[in-house]
Order: sequence, then C-alpha cells, then structure tokens
Amino acid sequence: SQQGEEDPQALSIQEGENATMNCSYKTSINNLQWYRQNSGRGLVHLILIRSNEREKHSGRLRVTLDTSKKSSSLLITASRAADTASYFCATDVKAGGTSYGKLTFGQGTILTVHP
Amino acid sequence: KAGVTQTPRYLIKTRGQQVTLSCSPISGHRSVSWYQQTPGQGLQFLFEYFSETQRNKGNFPGRFSGRQFSNSRSEMNVSTLELGDSALYLCASSWGTGGMNTEAFFGQGTRLTVV
Repeated sequence: SQQGEEDPQALSIQEGENATMNCSYKTSINNLQWYRQNSGRGLVHLILIRSNEREKHSGRLRVTLDTSKKSSSLLITASRAADTASYFCATDVKAGGTSYGKLTFGQGTILTVHP
Repeated sequence: KAGVTQTPRYLIKTRGQQVTLSCSPISGHRSVSWYQQTPGQGLQFLFEYFSETQRNKGNFPGRFSGRQFSNSRSEMNVSTLELGDSALYLCASSWGTGGMNTEAFFGQGTRLTVV
C-alpha cells in the first residue's frame, strides 16, 4: 500500500515559474526523501529531510516537513524545461526497527515545464 | 564515485520462463533494496539485503527471490514469469544502518517485458 499521497497528480507551468508539490503520509517516519524520475528511467535522489528538521534547501529546491500534519512540500524555484519529470516522495517509516531498506512511495506528481 | 549499476537495462521474456536481474551498489554500501514499478501499483518494495541477509520483505509471491553476495552485489530472480510481472525493476543502495540520515540511491532500472 502507498503511505504517501501526492498532489497535484499533474502540474503544468511555464519556464521561470515556481512549482510546488505536496506529499502526505500516515505514520511516524525517520526521514522523507524526494526523487525525480525522467520517462520511466531510474530515480534521482534530490533531497532528504530528517524527521527533526522543518526545512531544507538545495540549489533551487526547498523542502518543508510538518510532522504534526504528516506532510511535506517540494518547491522548485525558477523552473526550467529540464525539470520536466515525475517527482516522488518516499518515507522511511519508523516502525519498531523493521523498516530496513523499505521506502514507501507516493504516486508521484508529473511536472511539465513549458519553454 | 560510481553510482548504482543495474544490468541488463532491458529484457524480454516469455511467460513461464525465469529471469535474473543484477544490481551493483555504490562502493561501501552494504544494503540493497529492490522495488517494482508499474503504472497501476506504482513503486512497491520487494525485499532488502544487508550483509548477505534478507532483513525485510514486501508482499510479493515466492516466485520473487533474491540474494546478496559478499561484495554486496545483489541479484533478484523471478520464476515462472507472468504477464503481470512486466515492470521496471529498480534497486536502491544505502549504508544500511537505518535511522534519520539514511539516503537511498537508485540505479537506472531494468525494464522487464513478459510476452
């Protein structure tokens, strides 16, 4: 089952605009990671935010985490056509030490950036 | 530093056959996890290996199996292939120590088509 729910399912913007994607999850986590996937290829690791962090930046990416609401958001600023991809959040669930290696993914947001 | 390497990139098999996929993790990483990605079910966890031991397993039939070697390379095997096994199979590499800081890095995937 998918722990994460992402919205929107699809997002279409113009180059230069900002893109915001949201992720909600259901149980306590160790961390939350965001990934990008281009056209059914591998997942590219974007950023990890720990459960004791609220905000993290990496280049044009800004991630927030609200553990009280069990939600996270990914903001991509000044989008480029090359940012066109699917974006996934993945949670490392905190569950009595049995979560080793298991990331639980959302369904993803398809981002299209028009030149 | 080399990333996660999966071979082969593409496979076409016939129903009833078996298939073996290979994953070489990032140097020094001892954990390898496997995921199946399909349009209908999204990304689903298959199993995880750490130091040649399976530590975690997802909800897949026994036809799906794996192993890990002493150099941390891992293989997964699917026997008696069914049409529904057609998917992108992804492996992820991490240090495997768990907790808040464990980032997982993915390979490019193996696209399996069962005909």
